[in-house]
Amino acid sequence: DIVLTQSPATLSLSPGERATLSCRASQSVSSNLAWYQQKPGQAPRLLIYDASNRATGIPARFSGSGSGTDFTLTISSLEPEDFAVYYCQQRNNWPPLTFGGGTKVEIK
Amino acid sequence: QVQLQESGPGLVKPSETLSLTCTVSGYSISSGYYWGWIRQPPGKGLEWIGSIYHSGNSYHNSSLKSRVTISVDTSKNQVSLKLGSVTAADTAVYYCARGDYPDYWGQGTLVTVSS
Repeated sequence: DIVLTQSPATLSLSPGERATLSCRASQSVSSNLAWYQQKPGQAPRLLIYDASNRATGIPARFSGSGSGTDFTLTISSLEPEDFAVYYCQQRNNWPPLTFGGGTKVEIK
Repeated sequence: QVQLQESGPGLVKPSETLSLTCTVSGYSISSGYYWGWIRQPPGKGLEWIGSIYHSGNSYHNSSLKSRVTISVDTSKNQVSLKLGSVTAADTAVYYCARGDYPDYWGQGTLVTVSS
């Protein structure tokens, strides 16, 4: 199974700052990687698919990059509603679909 | 507007079978996509349980061994999950979701395993 490792576990930033989240795969997943945002008590929301494509309705401040084993989610300027937990997920070699352990973006 | 709604008991006894149903509205399951189940233990991350296509072709997480059964009823536009021989470790919020990049999710239902 492909293991996805996210770092850091927690990112403490202020509104307006840039957030850079990392996801590393245990073997190549090509560009078959997605990012999700989850707020407390809510289901995850798809942000990015195929490593760099924004899902419908996702603001342009969210961008994804990478291929192979190393991926990045960037939030260019944090809005108050962006403080949440973010997960990466691969579909390159499934089953199983696998998720990373998550990065919590908290207010500094 | 695609909507998914999980339903089922919120409390299951150890060693019994957890049974959940996902009712889909705004989209016909027969039109395509895999339909899956994902769970999240309290305070923890996401775990894929399994997925099924409208044809009935299904996959499940081998970590759950043979305890998982996923089925589809296209006439009712529903997907069902059965997880047998549950223990406290199966306590989680259970989500149904569409696709292998899940783009639509249900609100989730908390299932607690306790006597």
